[in-house]
Amino acid sequence: ELKVEQNPLFLSMQEGKNYTIYCNYSTTSDRLYWYRQDPGKSLESLFVLLSNGAVKQEGRLMASLDTKARLSTLHITAAVHDLSATYFCAVGGAASKLTFGTGTRLQVTL
Amino acid sequence: DVKVTQSSRYLVKRTGEKVFLECVQDMDHENMFWYRQDPGLGLRLIYFSYDVKMKEKGDIPEGYSVSREKKERFSLILESASTNQTSMYLCASSLILTDTQYFGPGTRLTVL
Repeated sequence: ELKVEQNPLFLSMQEGKNYTIYCNYSTTSDRLYWYRQDPGKSLESLFVLLSNGAVKQEGRLMASLDTKARLSTLHITAAVHDLSATYFCAVGGAASKLTFGTGTRLQVTL
Repeated sequence: DVKVTQSSRYLVKRTGEKVFLECVQDMDHENMFWYRQDPGLGLRLIYFSYDVKMKEKGDIPEGYSVSREKKERFSLILESASTNQTSMYLCASSLILTDTQYFGPGTRLTVL
């Protein structure tokens, strides 16, 4: 059974600081997704990572994938308040199902 | 842009009632999914469908059924609602099974 763990579960950080969210998964997979969810809203797709060593960047967010370590990271550079949200990773498994992590709630303070 | 809509944002039902949650997508996607989201548990897949009239069980199908009579519409049915089905329900669609899933706004269901 595919298990996906994210850490930390909650992250409070100051504006301008850097931090990384980690997503570990238990079995081999060829695709990993990052989503963002604002309070009371639905999930918005951020990144799709499809191969070992894949790196994608959008603004202050950068995601990477290491399939050998079964690890993806979401790095936040010089955080701003607008990045406050919950971030989920999701891993593709058998029968094309996605298994989601429990989410990391990010709070960026002034 | 892909648009996934859900019939209700908030729904309050009583224990034992039959509940229908509707989802419609406008991008001719082959695949549609139903998840429930609970605090501390992330999203869990209830059912998905890869074609009209086809369905597959997800990780937590007990107490739920689905219907897909038309490509654009995927319904989640709670045959006899129970309080432990109080949750946020999210619908998603994708062009192919390995593609990014696009999510609807969610339905927050409360069962009293």
